Amino acid sequence: ILNVEQSPQSLHVQEGDSTNFTCSFPSSNFYALHWYRWETAKSPKALFVMTLNGDEKKKGRISATLNTKEGYSYLYIKGSQPEDSATYLCASNNDMRFGAGTRLTVKP
Amino acid sequence: GAVVSQHPSRVICKSGTSVKIECRSLDFQATTMFWYRQFPKQSLMLMATSNEGSKATYEQGVEKDKFLINHASLTLSTLTVTSAHPEDSSFYICSATLTGYDSPLHFGNGTRLTVT
Repeated sequence: ILNVEQSPQSLHVQEGDSTNFTCSFPSSNFYALHWYRWETAKSPKALFVMTLNGDEKKKGRISATLNTKEGYSYLYIKGSQPEDSATYLCASNNDMRFGAGTRLTVKP
Repeated sequence: GAVVSQHPSRVICKSGTSVKIECRSLDFQATTMFWYRQFPKQSLMLMATSNEGSKATYEQGVEKDKFLINHASLTLSTLTVTSAHPEDSSFYICSATLTGYDSPLHFGNGTRLTVT
């Protein structure tokens, strides 16, 4: 993988569902993996910055894991709420280029 | 803490004129600032990375003479769109980081540029 890739591009879930999405990144010369949440009409906000292989971070109902050897990170949202609706972006390494994002819509 | 202020939030200018966008870190000194552009229905595209006192590093395909970036101090970076054309109309957003690539980015609120 040469660039950061995110999947799926969009996701529609019902309130209360748990969901997850993926960020794939070049595993060579890894330095850090960033996750951001970007709500409409607002600026992106940092969720997690992860640097260690096997790292797992949690913030409320949102958690993330990191596998630097195979070059992927998962973001999990437990019990999705309508306010979780946003675009979730990841960026890696020392260049801060973002993936295309996963647009999550949580229906009440 | 860690507030980034970006001005203006919206600007309309005529084709051929230049527009300056300011990005300020209000309560911290930013070692590095990043400028992004968002095309319609797309993600953030990195335009350039700037460090205080150094020339900005531009991404491939971004014209450095068109998009002038100045990072004069640890709290201020500016992006000037020179001789703007309608195709430069876009959403531009800056971000700043405190200590390096393992610290989170703090984003401004963005600037919506419309060139008529």
